[in-house]
Amino acid sequence: KQEVTQIPAALSVPEGENLVLNCSFTDSAIYNLQWFRQDPGKGLTSLLLIQSSQREQTSGRLNASLDKSSGRSTLYIAASQPGDSATYLCAVYRHNTDKLIFGTGTRLQVFP
Amino acid sequence: DGGITQSPKYLFRKEGQNVTLSCEQNLNHDAMYWYRQDPGQGLRLIYYSQIVNDFQKGDIAEGYSVSREKKESFPLTVTSAQKNPTAFYLCASSMAQVNTEAFFGQGTRLTVV
Repeated sequence: KQEVTQIPAALSVPEGENLVLNCSFTDSAIYNLQWFRQDPGKGLTSLLLIQSSQREQTSGRLNASLDKSSGRSTLYIAASQPGDSATYLCAVYRHNTDKLIFGTGTRLQVFP
Repeated sequence: DGGITQSPKYLFRKEGQNVTLSCEQNLNHDAMYWYRQDPGQGLRLIYYSQIVNDFQKGDIAEGYSVSREKKESFPLTVTSAQKNPTAFYLCASSMAQVNTEAFFGQGTRLTVV
């Protein structure tokens, strides 16, 4: 059974810091891994999609890496801003299923 | 604008009532999904559909029903058999191919009163 874990559960940092969010998964047989952002009371916004054959993806200040063999992904946020405050979720699309399996998320607060 | 629209944003249900949550997409996606989100838990899959007139149960389908009569629409009915329906419900869609990106609506918060 695929399990997805995100550490830490919550993180509070001052503005301007570079930070790393972690996602680990138990079964390496995945098609892809996706990072999402969720603001309070809102839906999920897709940030980055990494295919199983890729090592990383970048979008602006965000960089996501994938090490499938070790079952790990990291989301790197450069020069954090208060507007980055949200919950960040990772999800994997496992082989032989038709669904994304989600972690419980990391709640990030960036203070001025 | 292309996207996924969920309605209503807030919904209140009395004990014993059935309620239907709407999900519409204009992304021309084949696959659609319903997830439930509870505090402190990850998203859990209720139902999904890869093609019109076909759908499959997810991990927590008991007490829920769906239909997929049109490609654009995937309504979710929360029946009276669902004993703990208070939650945040999220609809998503993607192309049918497994290596594509999933997009989500803005959610419906259902509260039992």
